[in-house]
Amino acid sequence: GAVVSQHPSRVICKSGTSVKIECRSLDFQATTMFWYRQFPKKSLMLMATSNEGSKATYEQGVEKDKFLINHASLTLSTLTVTSAHPEDSSFYICSASKTGTGNNEQFFGPGTRLTVL
Amino acid sequence: LAKTTQPISMDSYEGQEVNITCSHNNIATNDYITWYQQFPSQGPRFIIQGYKTKVTNEVASLFIPADRKSSTLSLPRVSLSDTAVYYCLVGTYNQGGKLIFGQGTELSVKP
Repeated sequence: GAVVSQHPSRVICKSGTSVKIECRSLDFQATTMFWYRQFPKKSLMLMATSNEGSKATYEQGVEKDKFLINHASLTLSTLTVTSAHPEDSSFYICSASKTGTGNNEQFFGPGTRLTVL
Repeated sequence: LAKTTQPISMDSYEGQEVNITCSHNNIATNDYITWYQQFPSQGPRFIIQGYKTKVTNEVASLFIPADRKSSTLSLPRVSLSDTAVYYCLVGTYNQGGKLIFGQGTELSVKP
């Protein structure tokens, strides 16, 4: 067990539109989920920590009004990139921490490739 | 969160043992050391985690000296499919604790 899925796997959109990315824990409950962004040949950059039923905590320099995060259930967190621009093109990855295990092993989704034209 | 330093890249050949060392001089008492593997265009995959001494699983071994200021991931008899980026992370063991990724080590295994 411990599978995390993301949808869509890749998306191409026009500049100015909004894009929603879903992150689901398929076989476990996740009180906490994390969102990362990764540019080509670079490391993962933590964007925000998403806690079920409460507001997300954003890392310094990440615009919370641009990257809207909702964690409405123990198995689903969504990231919405609002008014996307070409510089938002990146690989977005989510991870989930299993509820009740007591440790911080994170299970990562397969990622979503966003291309903004 | 403790900062980590790893070699940017390493080369190896099939069948060899590969050791990747990570420095984390500012590791805190409550911090654990975790290694992840990432293939291109995929999410990272957990490899191994430890606190001190030696940890071994079916995939790798993790060696941690007594001062815990560094750690070494050991991959026995690598194959071409082990070509990936390996990340060393240091952070709290507590559930929900965030992970900060460093630059990682790009391992290239050649035939």
